Amino acid sequence: DAGITQSPRHKVTETGTPVTLRCHQTENHRYMYWYRQDPGHGLRLIHYSYGVKDTDKGEVSDGYSVSRSKTEDFLLTLESATSSQTSVYFCAISERGRKPQHFGDGTRLSIL
Amino acid sequence: DAKTTQPNSMESNEEEPVHLPCNHSTISGTDYIHWYRQLPSQGPEYVIHGLTSNVNNRMASLAIAEDRKSSTLILHRATLRDAAVYYCILRDPGGGADGLTFGKGTHLIIQP
Repeated sequence: DAGITQSPRHKVTETGTPVTLRCHQTENHRYMYWYRQDPGHGLRLIHYSYGVKDTDKGEVSDGYSVSRSKTEDFLLTLESATSSQTSVYFCAISERGRKPQHFGDGTRLSIL
Repeated sequence: DAKTTQPNSMESNEEEPVHLPCNHSTISGTDYIHWYRQLPSQGPEYVIHGLTSNVNNRMASLAIAEDRKSSTLILHRATLRDAAVYYCILRDPGGGADGLTFGKGTHLIIQP
């Protein structure tokens, strides 16, 4: 199994608070991705990174920011969480841009 | 990425083969056919991918039609653990490093 760790695995927080989710990999893969999964929508791409300090927006990036200061860590931040951001968040990694992606176990985030 | 069409759900019996179809009539000549699956409460898992020839690995086989407008994922002997949502996704290796586009997939039910 690919070495991907997402933390925390579960979080409950209140509207308006900042939240940071962490994805840590031990595979030294260049590409990292953040998705969210909601009922009726499947997985949707939030942001991705193609190297240290190199990131780009995905389909549903509004309200989210990311940072990648080292190869192994990709952080997803909700600056001011809203109830619409309640979701399951998955991190994925890939050796090259269009190679198969390997996913973490997800973070279940509830915003009350 | 080009669009794919899959049945919403399929049912099979344990220890029998399962054939999961995918139609992709607008596939381009450079698109690879990727399959992922998502078990309950887990992140998606890469299964297999191919371009033109049939492919086999330890998890499954991928049969690709001669005109490449359809493909079939074959689970040779289904187990209860194969109950999952299966996604068929087209990827052009020459495209950017953006994420996967997940449709609704096929919900595979395995009866004991």
